[in-house]
Amino acid sequence: DAGITQSPRHKVTETGTPVTLRCHQTENHRYMYWYRQDPGHGLRLIHYSYGVKDTDKGEVSDGYSVSRSKTEDFLLTLESATSSQTSVYFCAIREENTGELFFGEGSRLTVL
Amino acid sequence: AQTVTQSQPEMSVQEAETVTLSCTYDTSENNYYLFWYKQPPSRQMILVIRQEAYKQQNATENRFSVNFQKAAKSFSLKISDSQLGDTAMYFCAFMKHDHDFGNEKLTFGTGTRLTIIP
Repeated sequence: DAGITQSPRHKVTETGTPVTLRCHQTENHRYMYWYRQDPGHGLRLIHYSYGVKDTDKGEVSDGYSVSRSKTEDFLLTLESATSSQTSVYFCAIREENTGELFFGEGSRLTVL
Repeated sequence: AQTVTQSQPEMSVQEAETVTLSCTYDTSENNYYLFWYKQPPSRQMILVIRQEAYKQQNATENRFSVNFQKAAKSFSLKISDSQLGDTAMYFCAFMKHDHDFGNEKLTFGTGTRLTIIP
């Protein structure tokens, strides 16, 4: 058990509404990541963090923002959700010694 | 930027047979990690095997082994004695090893859907 949880696990919302997904870890890892998974695209990096208040963009960051005010929590926010953001979102933490990423169980977001 | 290519969108094999999933990558880096992740219908991402680029010996984990060809930038996964529980999406992934710059990100291929036929 890598000690990583995501919430909510499922959410249905309407276009234009704000949405925040939360990733919580209990392992005190420095690196945390948000990916989205879509058919035909695999997993694509949205944003990542390498410490408290240290974040950077991934390859599909438009329309998303993140915050990390404490080590254990990494929040992903969609300020104004669009239908193209319907996806499954995965949070991950990285084991620094091995490079291995441990993933949360995913959050399925549907934007109507 | 690094890219990872999995050219087999779907594969199927009879139970107990051996199957090989292909993966190629493009990078100018010399120090990196390569991974295979499995995603069963439960959606959970599970690490199958990991390879460090500086190690010439191919990684093995029980029935899973890799053929790592650094010069060819190839990283294939072999599953021996396949089992029904191996049915899943398999993702190849690349990570540059760069402790100093906080720039270590995992780049995934598009995946191969593997079905084990009873």
